[in-house]
Amino acid sequence: GENVEQHPSTLSVQEGDSAVIKCTYSDSASNYFPWYKQELGKRPQLIIDIRSNVGEKKDQRIAVTLNKTAKHFSLHITETQPEDSAVYFCAASAANYGGSQGNLIFGKGTKLSVKP
Amino acid sequence: KAGVTQTPRYLIKTRGQQVTLSCSPISGHRSVSWYQQTPGQGLQFLFEYFSETQRNKGNFPGRFSGRQFSNSRSEMNVSTLELGDSALYLCASSLVGDSTYEQYFGPGTRLTVT
Repeated sequence: GENVEQHPSTLSVQEGDSAVIKCTYSDSASNYFPWYKQELGKRPQLIIDIRSNVGEKKDQRIAVTLNKTAKHFSLHITETQPEDSAVYFCAASAANYGGSQGNLIFGKGTKLSVKP
Repeated sequence: KAGVTQTPRYLIKTRGQQVTLSCSPISGHRSVSWYQQTPGQGLQFLFEYFSETQRNKGNFPGRFSGRQFSNSRSEMNVSTLELGDSALYLCASSLVGDSTYEQYFGPGTRLTVT
């Protein structure tokens, strides 16, 4: 079955710096890669996602890149702010068009701390 | 639109008891998935329901079961509770169709087994 590895497990940056979190997956059938942000005591919140037919996607200060050949994808956060501090999870699934959403297989998470 | 809701938010049970958790998806969402979150194992997939049918199942024992009703609301049940079942149980809903794959999570039910 699918296995998702996420690195680093903790990341500390200064406000204004960039942060990069990397994930690798094992199942070549995976075609959907979301990223979730979870603040302490709150639900995971979808912040960005990418599908296997796209190499890069950007939304303001957040971007995700996907390398299907190498089976890895990364989250990039630019101009980090203290409110970006949270645990970030990557996930992969083999969703079917109009059918099963597939089961999301999650990485273990990265605790990002942004110091003012 | 209201988000995904889960009840109850907190639950304390004793070993050997059973528990039922409820999830109401976002209006119009027809798929509901359940996940278990623990500090040690992270987020793990339990099962997915669509049109009252279980479509996918994770690697959990048969003590974990679920169902979905015609209004897309879903319940999960855990029988013969063990201490290791203490966790945050999250459900996520998604809109099936038109290549929409996004899953949106509820606030979770914090289950403590003593």
